[in-house]
Amino acid sequence: NAGVTQTPKFRILKIGQSMTLQCTQDMNHNYMYWYRQDPGMGLKLIYYSVGAGITDKGEVPNGYNVSRSTTEDFPLRLELAAPSQTSVYFCASSGTGPPYEQYFGPGTRLTVT
Amino acid sequence: QKEVEQNSGPLSVPEGAIASLNCTYSDRGSQSFFWYRQYSGKSPELIMSIYSNGDKEDGRFTAQLNKASQYVSLLIRDSQPSDSATYLCAVNKNNYQLIWGAGTKLIIKP
Repeated sequence: NAGVTQTPKFRILKIGQSMTLQCTQDMNHNYMYWYRQDPGMGLKLIYYSVGAGITDKGEVPNGYNVSRSTTEDFPLRLELAAPSQTSVYFCASSGTGPPYEQYFGPGTRLTVT
Repeated sequence: QKEVEQNSGPLSVPEGAIASLNCTYSDRGSQSFFWYRQYSGKSPELIMSIYSNGDKEDGRFTAQLNKASQYVSLLIRDSQPSDSATYLCAVNKNNYQLIWGAGTKLIIKP
């Protein structure tokens, strides 16, 4: 099992550009999450999904969009990139039942200049 | 008051000693508690989860939970330089969301 995979690993965007961060998991997990982590800070939840076709906002959803058409994939879309979106983005997944442990992908380091 | 609080550190511990990391939380209804390790530039990696009051041991790691006092701790015995990392505490908000602490940076000095 590859677990949670994310692409790309690194990306530099110009202000106003858009991009999609890809996330795929092969553990048949229903729950998936997108977090951002700024330097020296904790994880902030952007969006989450409890199953295919169901998504909801987390703490910091502004400037982002998600979709969940399959159990495996949970892409994050950045529209009109801004310098404030410079961060490391992590995708995670967890199973339906307890213990709800979350497993993380390797992350995408995004710089907006 | 933050929902999950951790001392940011850095916590410096000599090699071979016991490292003690602490975390307090505000929601008395929380049922599940997790410790993650994050090396610099890497993603968080689950170390342990704990659900019942008391201790849970896994190799050199022991998680301790006290729901009455609303704290959870992680002990690392025989600390190694490879244990140097940031340790994140997480507490369940509901069945599928976690609330995260900002992490404690641990430095093991040879």
